[in-house]
Amino acid sequence: GQNIDQPTEMTATEGAIVQINCTYQTSGFNGLFWYQQHAGEAPTFLSYNVLDGLEEKGRFSSFLSRSKGYSYLLLKELQMKDSASYLCAVRDSNYQLIWGAGTKLIIKP
Amino acid sequence: DVKVTQSSRYLVKRTGEKVFLECVQDMDHENMFWYRQDPGLGLRLIYFSYDVKMKEKGDIPEGYSVSREKKERFSLILESASTNQTSMYLCASSPLEGGGANVLTFGAGSRLTVL
Repeated sequence: GQNIDQPTEMTATEGAIVQINCTYQTSGFNGLFWYQQHAGEAPTFLSYNVLDGLEEKGRFSSFLSRSKGYSYLLLKELQMKDSASYLCAVRDSNYQLIWGAGTKLIIKP
Repeated sequence: DVKVTQSSRYLVKRTGEKVFLECVQDMDHENMFWYRQDPGLGLRLIYFSYDVKMKEKGDIPEGYSVSREKKERFSLILESASTNQTSMYLCASSPLEGGGANVLTFGAGSRLTVL
């Protein structure tokens, strides 16, 4: 079957760096997405990786290794507003999105 | 600012009632989707549509139907609500597949409780 694994919850300190991992086993691969979802709100797009390597976008970076079935989202200079759930999703060979259960990130002062 | 609007944020219905969840997008997107989101699970696709009057079953279509009479509107229908359909329902849209990211834009969600 198809599977996306990410930690359920992580805690980090304001101003620090945190890395949220995502491993996947899917039928084919056509890109990996990270979305951010604040409590009670819509998920919003953060990043997209289709080739191996690091994509940097301000304080957020996303890394992909297709051979390892692995990605991470790196958040730098954490702010309280970064407290949210982070959803990893992989687009499979049928161009359908397979979603992880999300990682709830708690930022402490 | 582009938007996906879901008409109801919170609904409480009784078992057996017919429930309509409405979703409207203003981005002229071809694709529209209905997901449900439950604690501890990834988003699960119920139905999607890539054109007016077209619909495709997702992973969990049982107990649901959809309607897309206009490009901007995609409705989710629970013909006879059951308690196991208590969930958060998310509508999303995206442009037609053309390679690249084809990012989803989500609505804020409709939290349905079935008693």
